[in-house]
Amino acid sequence: KQEVTQIPAALSVPEGENLVLNCSFTDSAIYNLQWFRQDPGKGLTSLLLIQSSQREQTSGRLNASLDKSSGRSTLYIAASQPGDSATYLCAVMSSGGSNYKLTFGKGTLLTVNP
Amino acid sequence: NAGVMQNPRHLVRRRGQEARLRCSPMKGHSHVYWYRQLPEEGLKFMVYLQKENIIDESGMPKERFSAEFPKEGPSILRIQQVVRGDSAAYFCASSPLQHEQYFGPGTRLTVT
Repeated sequence: KQEVTQIPAALSVPEGENLVLNCSFTDSAIYNLQWFRQDPGKGLTSLLLIQSSQREQTSGRLNASLDKSSGRSTLYIAASQPGDSATYLCAVMSSGGSNYKLTFGKGTLLTVNP
Repeated sequence: NAGVMQNPRHLVRRRGQEARLRCSPMKGHSHVYWYRQLPEEGLKFMVYLQKENIIDESGMPKERFSAEFPKEGPSILRIQQVVRGDSAAYFCASSPLQHEQYFGPGTRLTVT
């Protein structure tokens, strides 16, 4: 059974700092891994999707890496801004018969202080 | 192209009432997924549907919960005889094929 863990559970940083959010998963047989952003009381916004054959994806100030063999992914946020404050969720889609079911971590609550 | 739409956004029900949550997938998407986010918990998969078919309902409680995705109209998640433990955010996602899912804004159910 796939399990996804995100560390840290919460992070508070001053504006302008570069930061890394971590995600680990127990079963390396994955189809893809996705990072989402969730604002309080709102839905999920997809940030980056990494296919299992890829090592990283970049979008603006965000860079996500994937090391499938070790069961790890990181989300790197450069030059953080107060508007980046949100909960960041990591989700894994396992391969095989259930390659449609996303397994989510509990998220990292990020606060960027002005 | 409008995104995934869910309504209502907020729903309050008394214990024992029925809750009906609606999800309209993105245009051209024939795959719908429901997830539940309990307080302080991660999102958990509930059910996967294609038009008129339930593909996988392994994450759905065996009693009181049902889901459908008719040929015409939105997907419906129905909870009968709600209890306080059903209070959660319910998210719907859709996809054109199986793999990349687009999420709606969620319905926040409160059971009083």
